[in-house]
Amino acid sequence: EAGVAQSPRYKIIEKRQSVAFWCNPISGHATLYWYQQILGQGPKLLIQFQNNGVVDDSQLPKDRFSAERLKGVDSTLKIQPAKLEDSAVYLCASSHYGSPVRAGGKLFFGSGTQLSVL
Amino acid sequence: KQEVTQIPAALSVPEGENLVLNCSFTDSAIYNLQWFRQDPGKGLTSLLLIQSSQREQTSGRLNASLDKSSGRSTLYIAASQPGDSATYLCAVTNNQAGTALIFGKGTTLSVSS
Repeated sequence: EAGVAQSPRYKIIEKRQSVAFWCNPISGHATLYWYQQILGQGPKLLIQFQNNGVVDDSQLPKDRFSAERLKGVDSTLKIQPAKLEDSAVYLCASSHYGSPVRAGGKLFFGSGTQLSVL
Repeated sequence: KQEVTQIPAALSVPEGENLVLNCSFTDSAIYNLQWFRQDPGKGLTSLLLIQSSQREQTSGRLNASLDKSSGRSTLYIAASQPGDSATYLCAVTNNQAGTALIFGKGTTLSVSS
């Protein structure tokens, strides 16, 4: 079974530039998550999709971050304009069922995109 | 608001030693608790999942316990090996439909040969 695919692996940009990350979840997984992990911290949820609808985006800085999951499969996370504090690893995860509660919580993570904002 | 704390932040042990990692959470109304492993530059790998009705789960040399009433979980690693060196993260799912995982900051383990 193929895992969660993310690209690019690394990205270096200057502040105020824009950047986009891509995620392809495990085939058939209904729920997709984007997490932000700052160095030395645990991952923090940015947005949760179920199919192509948003379940939770309460911690997404909507003035600069946006995400979409067209057709309920792969997803793109965008930052525009980037700030220094956006430097982090952006992790995508997916689960089979509609919510981790019903699924028993089994999430599969991609390797992440490491973003450096200079 | 649920908060997850992991102690210690870092731990160094010689190979072969048994060790315990600690996790505490402020709101006992959880649905489940998971322990993850994260290697440098990699994503997270789920190690053990404990449902709120369970007391412990075991996988090989790993044993995770859950005491929901006191808001605590421990991850026990027996006979540690250098390959166990990684960051171990604890995460909880609150007892509400549709909520995602809330993570602690992790414990970075180094096992020397």
